[in-house]
Amino acid sequence: EAGVAQSPRYKIIEKRQSVAFWCNPISGHATLYWYQQILGQGPKLLIQFQNNGVVDDSQLPKDRFSAERLKGVDSTLKIQPAKLEDSAVYLCASSLGGSNTEAFFGQGTRLTVV
Amino acid sequence: KQEVTQIPAALSVPEGENLVLNCSFTDSAIYNLQWFRQDPGKGLTSLLLIQSSQREQTSGRLNASLDKSSGRSTLYIAASQPGDSATYLCAVMDSSYKLIFGSGTRLLVRP
Repeated sequence: EAGVAQSPRYKIIEKRQSVAFWCNPISGHATLYWYQQILGQGPKLLIQFQNNGVVDDSQLPKDRFSAERLKGVDSTLKIQPAKLEDSAVYLCASSLGGSNTEAFFGQGTRLTVV
Repeated sequence: KQEVTQIPAALSVPEGENLVLNCSFTDSAIYNLQWFRQDPGKGLTSLLLIQSSQREQTSGRLNASLDKSSGRSTLYIAASQPGDSATYLCAVMDSSYKLIFGSGTRLLVRP
């Protein structure tokens, strides 16, 4: 079974520029998560989708971050404009959904804002 | 608000030692708890999933326990090896199906 695919693996941008990350979850997985992981910290949930609907985006900085999951499959996370403090690894995860299903993570995208 | 804490933040042990990593959570209303491993520069690899109705799960040299009422889980690693060196993260699925993480324990197993 193919895992969660993310691209790009690395991205370096200047502050105030925009950037987009892409995630392709495991086939058939209804739930998709985006996490931000700052160096030395645990992952912080940004947004959670169930199919193509948003379940939780309470920690998404909506003035600069946006995410969508068209057709309930692939998802994109965008930052515009980027700030220095957005430098982090952005992780995508998926699960079948429901209360007792395992979450699987992609390799992540390491973003450096200079 | 659910908070997850992992102690210790870092641990260094000699090869062959048995060790225990701790995870605590503030709200016992969880659906499950999952332990992950993260190697430097990599994503997260799922190690064990314990459902809220279960007390423990085992996989090879790993054993995870869950005491939901006291808000605690432990990950026991038997006969540690240098290849076990990584960051170990625990995460709970709360009543809203959100997966909430601790900050991890960085483990170094010295040859």
